[in-house]
Amino acid sequence: KNQVEQSPQSLIILEGKNCTLQCNYTVSPFSNLRWYKQDTGRGPVSLTIMTFSENTKSNGRYTATLDADTKQSSLHITASQLSDSASYICVVLTYGGSQGNLIFGKGTKLSVKP
Amino acid sequence: DAGVIQSPRHEVTEMGQEVTLRCKPISGHNSLFWYRQTMMRGLELLIYFNNNVPIDDSGMPEDRFSAKMPNASFSTLKIQPSEPRDSAVYFCASSPGQHYAFFGQGTRLTVV
Repeated sequence: KNQVEQSPQSLIILEGKNCTLQCNYTVSPFSNLRWYKQDTGRGPVSLTIMTFSENTKSNGRYTATLDADTKQSSLHITASQLSDSASYICVVLTYGGSQGNLIFGKGTKLSVKP
Repeated sequence: DAGVIQSPRHEVTEMGQEVTLRCKPISGHNSLFWYRQTMMRGLELLIYFNNNVPIDDSGMPEDRFSAKMPNASFSTLKIQPSEPRDSAVYFCASSPGQHYAFFGQGTRLTVV
């Protein structure tokens, strides 16, 4: 069964600290993996998208990694800011390219405290 | 562009009533999606359209749910009759292709 599992479910860190969010997937065939950021009361916004051949991709203070062999991805946030408080959702697209085959994780809720 | 626009932002209705959610996709995007988000199940795809044609509605939970896209700039998701278990945040998203989906702000539906 195609599944995307994220951990931890929630995380509290102090401003300025780093953190890493995990995503494990059992989706096959694999097309790409994306990380979305969802602020409270708003729709998800894409942070990064990674294809099979990409291991690491950065977007400012966000760095995503992908290990296609172990079917794991991580999102590392450096020097966290209060505005990083949000839910982070890992999404895997199955091969075939149809948007209808997006498999969503349930997200990690990150709280950054001053 | 103002992005994907959804209305209303909040809706509170009584069980049994009809509810209509509206969405205006980003101009030029040829794909439109309706999602439902709950704490228990996360984001779930309900239905998606490509060039105004419904492609996959396997996520629509019951016959009480229906969606239409009469033209490229407007879509509706209707629930009739509504039930308390339909309470959730409903997102509309649009995409110019396969790689990115741009989400609206969502409609928070509460059925009492």
